[in-house]
Amino acid sequence: DAKTTQPTSMDCAEGRAANLPCNHSTISGNEYVYWYRQIHSQGPQYIIHGLKNNETNEMASLIITEDRKSSTLILPHATLRDTAVYYCIVVDGGSQGNLIFGKGTKLSVKP
Amino acid sequence: GAVVSQHPSWVICKSGTSVKIECRSLDFQATTMFWYRQFPKQSLMLMATSNEGSKATYEQGVEKDKFLINHASLTLSTLTVTSAHPEDSSFYICSARRGRGGNTIYFGEGSWLTVV
Repeated sequence: DAKTTQPTSMDCAEGRAANLPCNHSTISGNEYVYWYRQIHSQGPQYIIHGLKNNETNEMASLIITEDRKSSTLILPHATLRDTAVYYCIVVDGGSQGNLIFGKGTKLSVKP
Repeated sequence: GAVVSQHPSWVICKSGTSVKIECRSLDFQATTMFWYRQFPKQSLMLMATSNEGSKATYEQGVEKDKFLINHASLTLSTLTVTSAHPEDSSFYICSARRGRGGNTIYFGEGSWLTVV
């Protein structure tokens, strides 16, 4: 079973920041938080990942709470092309990489 | 970034025949690759872990004799759906990890299989 809890769906206005929450209250010390998104009929696309510290790249920012029990993915300026299902996944750092997907959050960016 | 490529992107086959899907890591070596299946409006379901030079590890409920996995080299894994039936119609996706511990896991574009 997935170790994360995400809202089923969210809406965001184009040009605004999209903040997608994820709860992972049972995360252990060596588990990373990964975010992927899947646009309809395509393979999942890597967005960002982190362990303890906040992370930022050209796509998004990842904010992890100090107790690591939750995190937020931030898309600073959402566009219509950001409409997708966003998956928050917890992965053991020593694992081979077998990601277990939950149901994710369906983000709809509206004009 | 690293790229994982799948071929074919889509395939239609007759019931009872077999079909092979390839997964390649284009610019890195992947000792382990993963195969997923996704039905419409559902999340990805892990089918098996493909290990280079050894037998694949299948998830519970996945028939190893029906879904044959071969990991012939560090950059290629294949999934063969044998004696395909209409209920095998699905979106099949592979992934590969570059390195270990915090490194990124990349996914292929996916392959649509339709069995008629």
